[in-house]
Amino acid sequence: SYVLTQPPSVSVAPGQTATITCGGNNIGTKTIHWYQQRPGQAPVLVVYDDSDRPSGIPERFSASNSGNRATLTISRVEAGDEADYYCHVWDRSGDQVFGGGTKLTVL
Amino acid sequence: QVQLQESGPGLVKPSETLSLTCTVSGGPISDYYWGWIRQSPGEGLELIGYIYYTGTTNYNPSLKSRVIMLVDMSKNQFSVRLTYVTAADTAEYYCARRKAYSTAFDIWGQGTMVTVSS
Repeated sequence: SYVLTQPPSVSVAPGQTATITCGGNNIGTKTIHWYQQRPGQAPVLVVYDDSDRPSGIPERFSASNSGNRATLTISRVEAGDEADYYCHVWDRSGDQVFGGGTKLTVL
Repeated sequence: QVQLQESGPGLVKPSETLSLTCTVSGGPISDYYWGWIRQSPGEGLELIGYIYYTGTTNYNPSLKSRVIMLVDMSKNQFSVRLTYVTAADTAEYYCARRKAYSTAFDIWGQGTMVTVSS
């Protein structure tokens, strides 16, 4: 089955830019989504279809996907951005898989 | 706006069947795919599967032999059954809606914790 690899943790100071990666074989050919999960809460969709933002998600959240790596970028990081972030891939064979998650710590 | 609410027993005995229902409010169950995702304590997300309002299903291959998903349009509900559970099935279970024209899950229930224990 398809495997997605995320770094376990990323740390960033407030106001800086956080970059969270999601690696997978030819991931650029697949459709990827990103979710934010704060402690004790359900996941929230922050980016879908590689780079689109749902309504209500700040423009500070952006994403890209090419080659063997997808990236979620959070600009001007705030304390409220501290959470676990998961990538989610669907490919045309019907496989759906989540990455292992990355814990974002705001220093 | 559309809201999802999971319901079902919080404790299930080993080898028995876990049954959960998701009630959709604020919108119709038709025209969408609906999914179940679980998260073991301290772990990541695992897709159990999803179902279209017509009843077409797609299950995680690792769980396929033990999973059944159903839709009840008259009640605006969908459900999941997982048979022969073990301690490894202890998890927070979420229901979610797949966004129209996408494969992303855009609306999630609050989740329900299910513990498998005798």
